[in-house]
Amino acid sequence: GQNIDQPTEMTATEGAIVQINCTYQTSGFNGLFWYQQHAGEAPTFLSYNVLDGLEEKGRFSSFLSRSKGYSYLLLKELQMKDSASYLCAVRDGDYKLSFGAGTTVTVRA
Amino acid sequence: ETGVTQTPRHLVMGMTNKKSLKCEQHLGHNAMYWYKQSAKKPLELMFVYNFKEQTENNSVPSRFSPECPNSSHLFLHLHTLQPEDSALYLCASSQEGGANVLTFGAGSRLTVL
Repeated sequence: GQNIDQPTEMTATEGAIVQINCTYQTSGFNGLFWYQQHAGEAPTFLSYNVLDGLEEKGRFSSFLSRSKGYSYLLLKELQMKDSASYLCAVRDGDYKLSFGAGTTVTVRA
Repeated sequence: ETGVTQTPRHLVMGMTNKKSLKCEQHLGHNAMYWYKQSAKKPLELMFVYNFKEQTENNSVPSRFSPECPNSSHLFLHLHTLQPEDSALYLCASSQEGGANVLTFGAGSRLTVL
């Protein structure tokens, strides 16, 4: 199987910045995804990286380094509604998608 | 309705019961998936259907039986389950090709007594 690691929990203050790291070891690579999942709701797509570098989408950015097997999701100007679980998922050389266990982010006032 | 709809949202069943989970997608996607989500664990892929054909069965016990009558509907038939099967069961769909982004339903929360 694939090995995808991300922190279990993170806490930050409203208005701050939080960076969620994801490291992976896969056989081949065909893209990395970040999903957001609020409690009791469906995971929703946030970002997709297949080439090295930073992808910015509003307050959220995602970075990828394929040589290091590393990605991060950056959440800026945190809002209370950003409290959720963030899932890192990697597609390997056989196009199989594997998920990390998720990072629960709690935003405090 | 839009997106991916799952019913029921909550299900409690005994180990001898037979029940089914239903998933419907209104996105025109050609692939559908069943995932199992347990607390603090990664999403586990169970089954994949592509154009109604099962393309992946991830060593799932036979007490879980999928059915895909058409590219918009997916069922998961459950029988003689075990308490450790209690989890959130997520359905997803995607359009094969390109980034192949998954669109998930809200899930069916299953409790096996």
